[in-house]
Amino acid sequence: AQKVTQAQTEISVVEKEDVTLDCVYETRDTTYYLFWYKQPPSGELVFLIRRNSFDEQNEISGRYSWNFQKSTSSFNFTITASQVVDSAVYFCALSEEGTGGYNKLIFGAGTRLAVHP
Amino acid sequence: DGGITQSPKYLFRKEGQNVTLSCEQNLNHDAMYWYRQDPGQGLRLIYYSQIVNDFQKGDIAEGYSVSREKKESFPLTVTSAQKNPTAFYLCASSPQDGEGAFFGQGTRLTVV
Repeated sequence: AQKVTQAQTEISVVEKEDVTLDCVYETRDTTYYLFWYKQPPSGELVFLIRRNSFDEQNEISGRYSWNFQKSTSSFNFTITASQVVDSAVYFCALSEEGTGGYNKLIFGAGTRLAVHP
Repeated sequence: DGGITQSPKYLFRKEGQNVTLSCEQNLNHDAMYWYRQDPGQGLRLIYYSQIVNDFQKGDIAEGYSVSREKKESFPLTVTSAQKNPTAFYLCASSPQDGEGAFFGQGTRLTVV
């Protein structure tokens, strides 16, 4: 069965430290998508990135970077020089083909990141 | 502004009552979803819909019902059959299968 594992429940860092959030997934599909979302205290989920299974290039967006390794079924997320505003819960998600061919998102349990001044 | 609107933000319900959560999107997305989030946990899929007048059960559909009469709207009814309805409910939409989802701000439902 498809699933997403975020083994780190909570991470606490001091501002300006680098931090990596781990995500490991399982799927039988050969074509799939992986995602990261940020959930600030307000509750709304903010889309950060989508990666399809055929694109293993790492991606960098400002202080954010993502490392996709198909060989280890991992899609890790690194924040460089963390800031207090990065404090949030971060979710990794996998698209899964549901009944009738419709895709749905399967979420990990999330990692709560606390960045202290 | 384009986006997904959920209302109300906070909702209180007495035990035994049905309640309907609203979700509207003006992004012209085909797919819409309802997720439930419990404290300290991830999101679990309740229902999803890819086209008007069609929807599919997710992993935890028991005690919930939905309708999709319009592309823009996907209301969720929490019925009295839902044994533990207190949770944070998130609605989402996406343009195409596998394209990822954009979320509303959520409705926090409390049963009193």
